Amino acid sequence: DAMVIQNPRYQVTQFGKPVTLSCSQTLNHNVMYWYQQKSSQAPKLLFHYYDKDFNNEADTPDNFQSRRPNTSFCFLDIRSPGLGDAAMYLCATSRDRPGWQFQETQYFGPGTRLLVL
Amino acid sequence: QQQVKQSPQSLIVQKGGISIINCAYENTAFDYFPWYQQFPGKGPALLIAIRPDVSEKKEGRFTISFNKSAKQFSLHIMDSQPGDSATYFCAALSGNTGKLIFGQGTTLQVKP
Repeated sequence: DAMVIQNPRYQVTQFGKPVTLSCSQTLNHNVMYWYQQKSSQAPKLLFHYYDKDFNNEADTPDNFQSRRPNTSFCFLDIRSPGLGDAAMYLCATSRDRPGWQFQETQYFGPGTRLLVL
Repeated sequence: QQQVKQSPQSLIVQKGGISIINCAYENTAFDYFPWYQQFPGKGPALLIAIRPDVSEKKEGRFTISFNKSAKQFSLHIMDSQPGDSATYFCAALSGNTGKLIFGQGTTLQVKP
């Protein structure tokens, strides 16, 4: 059973054309994360939501934004994609913040591969 | 101090052999250490995880060995199979920041 679902799996967009990636979860987890992963690199955290509380990483470009309309869904908006934004975008969830026994385990979705032409 | 250093970058093992991947950290605030397995074009999948109050954890063919004093931990894959060929990431999570810090990844190839 899919727990973290990402759509679409592949997305092609044009340089500068806004694009939205979506993530949904059936785990009822409080925390949702967005990571960017480029080829042969480790995932890089962009931001995360603890419930409705948005937490942006200091080095995340302003071009990237996120929305979480409810517990189950989270969106990644790239306002003006550049060629350097081509990557795999990973959504992850965890039940809670660290401090609770293994509730901080992060579960990843299959990712959306973004291609910018 | 937030880094997790992983080695080797790539590893080739014969079928049936033991694969060993090592990680080291400096930040003593890290208190949770998961390993993720990632196949090409897929998201990372949690493989096994350990807390620093335990020196070893075994799940099937996968074992984490943890050395708190040396700030090192390693993944051992016993009886390695071609289906284990993937990229493996160690990670460390800080209870202070809530962030998961990944190692650089190890690409494992198990030859038949």
